[in-house]
Amino acid sequence: NAGVTQTPKFQVLKTGQSMTLQCAQDMNHEYMSWYRQDPGMGLRLIHYSVGAGITDQGEVPNGYNVSRSTTEDFPLRLLSAAPSQTSVYFCASSLGLVGEQFFGPGTRLTVL
Amino acid sequence: QQQVKQSPQSLIVQKGGIPIINCAYENTAFDYFPWYQQFPGKGPALLIAIRPDVSEKKEGRFTISFNKSAKQFSLHIMDSQPGDSATYFCAASKGGSQGNLIFGKGTKLSVKP
Repeated sequence: NAGVTQTPKFQVLKTGQSMTLQCAQDMNHEYMSWYRQDPGMGLRLIHYSVGAGITDQGEVPNGYNVSRSTTEDFPLRLLSAAPSQTSVYFCASSLGLVGEQFFGPGTRLTVL
Repeated sequence: QQQVKQSPQSLIVQKGGIPIINCAYENTAFDYFPWYQQFPGKGPALLIAIRPDVSEKKEGRFTISFNKSAKQFSLHIMDSQPGDSATYFCAASKGGSQGNLIFGKGTKLSVKP
């Protein structure tokens, strides 16, 4: 099993550009989530999904969009990138809402 | 409002020492308290977790102590090694549909040889 995979590993955007961060898992987990990690801020939840077709907002959802058309994939879309979105983004999955979350390797995003 | 407060921000110990990382929470509805370990350039990984019906849990050199009345829990690393150098995050969640993990801000641990 590959676990949780994320692409790309690194990305540089200009302000106003849009892009999609990809996340996939092969563990048949129902729950998937996106976090951003900033220095001294810990991990903050952006959006999450409890199953295909179901998504909800986390703590810091503004400027991001998600969809969940399959159990395996949970892409995160930046609609119009801003320098404040410079961060490391982690995707995670778990069997249920409570329990061990498996994190991907992260995407380091810089917005100029 | 910071629901899970973690301290210290950074910690330096000598090999063999026992670093202790503390977390405090506000919400008494939290019933799952995991610790995650993150190495540079990697995603966090679950280290150990506890539920409030026990006061202590050990897994190898890692121990969680839990004080329900004080709403505090802590991670102890026995006989720490340079390979334990990492960032540690505590977290908490409620059961049911509100079960998303809320993370502390992290503690960067450095174990000197």
